[in-house]
Amino acid sequence: KNEVEQSPQNLTAQEGEFITINCSYSVGISALHWLQQHPGGGIVSLFMLSSGKKKHGRLIATINIQEKHSSLHITASHPRDSAVYICAVKGTAGSYQLTFGKGTKLSVIP
Amino acid sequence: NAGVTQTPKFRVLKTGQSMTLLCAQDMNHEYMYWYRQDPGMGLRLIHYSVGEGTTAKGEVPDGYNVSRLKKQNFLLGLESAAPSQTSVYFCASTYGGLVLEDSGELFFGEGSRLTVL
Repeated sequence: KNEVEQSPQNLTAQEGEFITINCSYSVGISALHWLQQHPGGGIVSLFMLSSGKKKHGRLIATINIQEKHSSLHITASHPRDSAVYICAVKGTAGSYQLTFGKGTKLSVIP
Repeated sequence: NAGVTQTPKFRVLKTGQSMTLLCAQDMNHEYMYWYRQDPGMGLRLIHYSVGEGTTAKGEVPDGYNVSRLKKQNFLLGLESAAPSQTSVYFCASTYGGLVLEDSGELFFGEGSRLTVL
């Protein structure tokens, strides 16, 4: 089974700071998902990637397949970015199961 | 466009009672999933479905049953609730199989908080 580790577990930043959240996994994958869980509990998909880099607004996700590592970057952070960010990976076998990290709780202070 | 809707949002049960959580999606997605989220743990897959009339076990299926009689609905049942089933339950759906090539972006419901006393 894939082991997914996220770091840091908790992160507090000042508004405007550049933020990096890391995700490492133990076994080769076919896709990696980044999710955002709002303080109210709802979960939305931010990115799905299998190689390279993706950008959406102030969010950037990168993945290094050889190093089994992905990062989520937030530029010019804002209090509304405060949420739990979750990494999830799908194995290369024909499975419909994702393995989820425990999440990184981000708090952005004005 | 409602996306993925879960009902009920909150429920309190006594040990041994039964209940059904309903997940409905209006995006014509083939794949649907039920997850549970517990403090200090990542989301865990309970059961999933790859199409109407199909269901399969996930990582933690014991104590739960599911049905997918209609493509848009995925029901999660607890036949005899136990305190260990106190959790937040999330339904999700994807058009394809969780990878880019299959349009595998996940869409989640708002969650259902279940407490078993």
